[in-house]
Amino acid sequence: AQTVTQSQPEMSVQEAETVTLSCTYDTSENNYYLFWYKQPPSRQMILVIRQEAYKQQNATENRFSVNFQKAAKSFSLKISDSQLGDTAMYFCAFMTTTFQGGSEKLVFGKGTKLTVNP
Amino acid sequence: DSGVTQTPKHLITATGQRVTLRCSPRSGDLSVYWYQQSLDQGLQFLIQYYNGEERAKGNILERFSAQQFPDLHSELNLSSLELGDSALYFCASSVVGVLGSGANVLTFGAGSRLTVL
Repeated sequence: AQTVTQSQPEMSVQEAETVTLSCTYDTSENNYYLFWYKQPPSRQMILVIRQEAYKQQNATENRFSVNFQKAAKSFSLKISDSQLGDTAMYFCAFMTTTFQGGSEKLVFGKGTKLTVNP
Repeated sequence: DSGVTQTPKHLITATGQRVTLRCSPRSGDLSVYWYQQSLDQGLQFLIQYYNGEERAKGNILERFSAQQFPDLHSELNLSSLELGDSALYFCASSVVGVLGSGANVLTFGAGSRLTVL
């Protein structure tokens, strides 16, 4: 079974600085997808960024980027120029892909609570 | 607005009761997923439906059941409620299932907060 581990329950960062959230996962699959979702105080789950395992290039979305190390099964999220609106719970998630049958369900880590301080 | 609609937003009920949570997926999405988020268990996958059929089952209790209707909306039925069932229940949808693979993205609704007293 796939597992996702986020070892940092809480983190804080000053506004405009950079912070990195860690995530490791365990799988025997070769093809899969990794995601970071953000859950602000409103409780809405919002996709931040995704990475296909077969792509060596790290994904980026504006101020958000990932460091994907497939051999190490590591998928960290870097937030640059942190903003107050980035304050949220961040969840790392894993999805396998199958061609016929199976499920593309997401398996989530426990989350990291990020606070951006003014 | 994510396009995934969940009702009700909040629900307070008593132990032993039964409730139904409703989800309308994004237009064009064939798959619906249900997740339970509680303080101590994080986000737990309950069940997935694709185009009306059950596709995967996770940590769903026997007291819980779900279905997806021909118009693709889904309902999650929770019965014989216990205090420990208090949680935020999310529905998500995606287009997955057409080819069975792909960089599918789950879009989440705003959740239904259930409080069992």
